[in-house]
Amino acid sequence: GDSVTQMEGPVTLSEEAFLTINCTYTATGYPSLFWYVQYPGEGLQLLLKATKADDKGSNKGFEATYRKETTSFHLEKGSVQVSDSAVYFCALSDNQAGTALIFGKGTTLSVSS
Amino acid sequence: DSGVTQTPKHLITATGQRVTLRCSPRSGDLSVYWYQQSLDQGLQFLIQYYNGEERAKGNILERFSAQQFPDLHSELNLSSLELGDSALYFCASSVDSWGASGNTIYFGEGSWLTVV
Repeated sequence: GDSVTQMEGPVTLSEEAFLTINCTYTATGYPSLFWYVQYPGEGLQLLLKATKADDKGSNKGFEATYRKETTSFHLEKGSVQVSDSAVYFCALSDNQAGTALIFGKGTTLSVSS
Repeated sequence: DSGVTQTPKHLITATGQRVTLRCSPRSGDLSVYWYQQSLDQGLQFLIQYYNGEERAKGNILERFSAQQFPDLHSELNLSSLELGDSALYFCASSVDSWGASGNTIYFGEGSWLTVV
C-alpha cells in the first residue's frame, strides 16, 4: 500500500542554520504531496504542497520539490528561526486510489537561539 | 484558523464509557475526515464521509463509529473506551470527495481524549 517515510528526529539546529527534512514515498498512482506543520499545542497546518512531478511547493521560506524519479519530497529552508520549532509531517494523497491523506511519522524540529 | 471547528477540546473519561466528538467542516466543504494521533501510532486515518455518505475507511476500530449529518457536521462516537484510546482526534475537511488532485485538506485543532 501507499506509504510515507520521513527521517527520524529530533532535528536540533541553531538559528539561521540550513534545514533539510527527508521524505520519500511509495504510491501506486500519481499522488499529490504535502508538508504539514504542527506547532506545540496546536492542530495541523498545511505548509506547502505539490501536485505533479517537478512541481515546487513553497511557503514561509520553506520549499519542497516533487521528484518522481527518486520518489522524494524533501523539505528545505535556508535559514531557520526559533519560531520554526514544530513537528513536520510529510503526507501523500493518491489521486487515483482516492484515499485520504497518508502521513509519515513526523519529524520534530528544535531551533535554538 | 483553518475554519474546521472541533468540540470538545479536552475530554477526560473512564474506561468502558462512551464519548462523542463533534466536528463542523469549513464552509462549503463536503468531505469530512477523522484522524487519530497517538505517540506510538502517529497519525492514523480513521474514516471519511462525503456529503453524508461513508467514502473511505481506514484503521477504525469496531468500537468506533462516525456519521455525517445533513448540515454536514460530523460526529465520531467512541465506545467501550480503553486506556489505549487516549489520543488526539483530528477532524479535517475538504471540498471534494477525495481530498486529492491537489485539493487541500484542512485540519481542526483536535480533541484531546484522556481515558483513565
